[in-house]
Amino acid sequence: GAVVSQHPSWVICKSGTSVKIECRSLDFQATTMFWYRQFPKQSLMLMATSNEGSKATYEQGVEKDKFLINHASLTLSTLTVTSAHPEDSSFYICSAKAGTYEQYFGPGTRLTVT
Amino acid sequence: AQKVTQAQTEISVVEKEDVTLDCVYETRDTTYYLFWYKQPPSGELVFLIRRNSFDEQNEISGRYSWNFQKSTSSFNFTITASQVVDSAVYFCALSSSGSARQLTFGSGTQLTVLP
Repeated sequence: GAVVSQHPSWVICKSGTSVKIECRSLDFQATTMFWYRQFPKQSLMLMATSNEGSKATYEQGVEKDKFLINHASLTLSTLTVTSAHPEDSSFYICSAKAGTYEQYFGPGTRLTVT
Repeated sequence: AQKVTQAQTEISVVEKEDVTLDCVYETRDTTYYLFWYKQPPSGELVFLIRRNSFDEQNEISGRYSWNFQKSTSSFNFTITASQVVDSAVYFCALSSSGSARQLTFGSGTQLTVLP
């Protein structure tokens, strides 16, 4: 089956620093990838839709200058949290679309900002 | 606008009991897909089922079964003879008809199966 990886699986950083999270589709090409954020005991909230070779589409309320998304190839999308603050601490999940409706999810990245 | 409602925030059952997780959705699209995912404590989403809007047949997979009723916009999930390993958060989701096919998730139901 289709596999999506995320790296790192967890990261702790200091307030004010930037953190990059990678999302890779390992055995298929994904023209579209999605980034979600999940706070404890809450649902997944879509942050942005990332299309290979073009700018990401951000959901309302998501700061595009703070959450930089780059989808440089058909197998890699990156999310950079710039100038991270404690309120950015969350579980970040990516998914990659294969086919019309199939989305395959990565294992998630737990970000803690101290 | 699309919406998925999972009214049950938490459910607790004793092992071997049957349990049904409710899901009600709203969409203006005539073509759509519905999903159920399981999220164990590790956090990784586990895909359980996908159902398209034209297929109202109920489905059974082992101890899992799904009841899709378009008339009530519901897509309920039943676990028969629950086990402790079924303890997790379960999400119902709806896929949009837009080109990106974004998923709208419900708020999730925390299922705890007690031994």
